[in-house]
Amino acid sequence: GAVVSQHPSWVICKSGTSVKIECRSLDFQATTMFWYRQFPKQSLMLMATSNEGSKATYEQGVEKDKFLINHASLTLSTLTVTSAHPEDSSFYICSARGGGTGDEQFFGPGTRLTVL
Amino acid sequence: GEDVEQSLFLSVREGDSSVINCTYTDSSSTYLYWYKQEPGAGLQLLTYIFSNMDMKQDQRLTVLLNKKDKHLSLRIADTQTGDSAIYFCAEREGGFKTIFGAGTRLFVKA
Repeated sequence: GAVVSQHPSWVICKSGTSVKIECRSLDFQATTMFWYRQFPKQSLMLMATSNEGSKATYEQGVEKDKFLINHASLTLSTLTVTSAHPEDSSFYICSARGGGTGDEQFFGPGTRLTVL
Repeated sequence: GEDVEQSLFLSVREGDSSVINCTYTDSSSTYLYWYKQEPGAGLQLLTYIFSNMDMKQDQRLTVLLNKKDKHLSLRIADTQTGDSAIYFCAEREGGFKTIFGAGTRLFVKA
């Protein structure tokens, strides 16, 4: 099946710094990418949906100035957590859907962010 | 709004069958999914079923859909220790958004 990678797999940062997480579709063109957040022992919460070349659509309650999403190409989307605080610590997962995958979403392995 | 509910925990013995249940509220769901998540990893799509089907079998996995009751189940035959993971039920309406349940933690005892 199609492969989605995320980098880094884990990151620890100081409070107040910004962190960028990359999501790449390795063998298909991702016209749509999704960013999820998962708290321990909880389900995935959709943060935003992005289509290549256009602005991301954020879910209610998600601060767009806090979580900057850029889907600049058909194989890359980035999530930047700006001025991170300890409450932003979470597991961030991206998924991608695109040409050749039908309607299936392929998930990345996730990025664990810890903010000290 | 849409909601997907599933039991949080299931424990079975190795070799037994596991049945994980899920209910959803959106009657316009077109796709229903089962995902598996191992510790510290992303989600792996196990199987899915279209809303116009009532059963799908794929090797050890059997999905049953009762559209009238909005009930979905996943049966894993001959459960192995490697099946221990969190299983997420998800439904998708005609648009892009996929709604996930809270996940059922399956524990397989040797």
